[in-house]
Amino acid sequence: AQSVSQHNHHVILSEAASLELGCNYSYGGTVNLFWYVQYPGQHLQLLLKYFSGDPLVKGIKGFEAEFIKSKFSFNLRKPSVQWSDTAEYFCAVTTQAGTALIFGKGTTLSVSS
Amino acid sequence: EPEVTQTPSHQVTQMGQEVILRCVPISNHLYFYWYRQILGQKVEFLVSFYNNEISEKSEIFDDQFSVERPDGSNFTLKIRSTKLEDSAMYFCASSEGASNSPLHFGNGTRLTVT
Repeated sequence: AQSVSQHNHHVILSEAASLELGCNYSYGGTVNLFWYVQYPGQHLQLLLKYFSGDPLVKGIKGFEAEFIKSKFSFNLRKPSVQWSDTAEYFCAVTTQAGTALIFGKGTTLSVSS
Repeated sequence: EPEVTQTPSHQVTQMGQEVILRCVPISNHLYFYWYRQILGQKVEFLVSFYNNEISEKSEIFDDQFSVERPDGSNFTLKIRSTKLEDSAMYFCASSEGASNSPLHFGNGTRLTVT
């Protein structure tokens, strides 16, 4: 069965620091990869997605992620975080064989101003 | 921007009672989903629904759970006899198509079973 691992449970940064959140998945076939964000009190929102093509994908709010197939990774990055980026971040994967979106446990990002 | 709406935002029920969680997916979406998130744990897939039938379900989605699309707009999750361990945040989601369509989530219903 597919699984998603997010290595960082809680990340604490100061404003303007750079961010990288790790995500690894286990599935040998073709995958579709997503990062969702959940701001306090709000619903899950799509940050960015990868289906095919350029492995470096850009999303909303200055976020980007790089798909490295050989490492089964899809790490999320942002060069300079803001206080408003404080949220929970979820990596998720689907395979072309099914429709279920499998989530990682999430990473809580706290940004201090 | 159209969004998925869920009601109620918070439901408190006693163990053994039936609850129905309601969702209105985005109108032109074809796939509907329920996920849950127990406090401190990951978001877990429960069930997906397409063309008026369940297309996929997880081990969590046992006989206590059922889903229904009673009319053209609502998508409900019923838990027949709630248990303490059913306490969680339940998220409804919808998407235009299958695995390469992003899911749009509702704000969730927090279910508390006492």
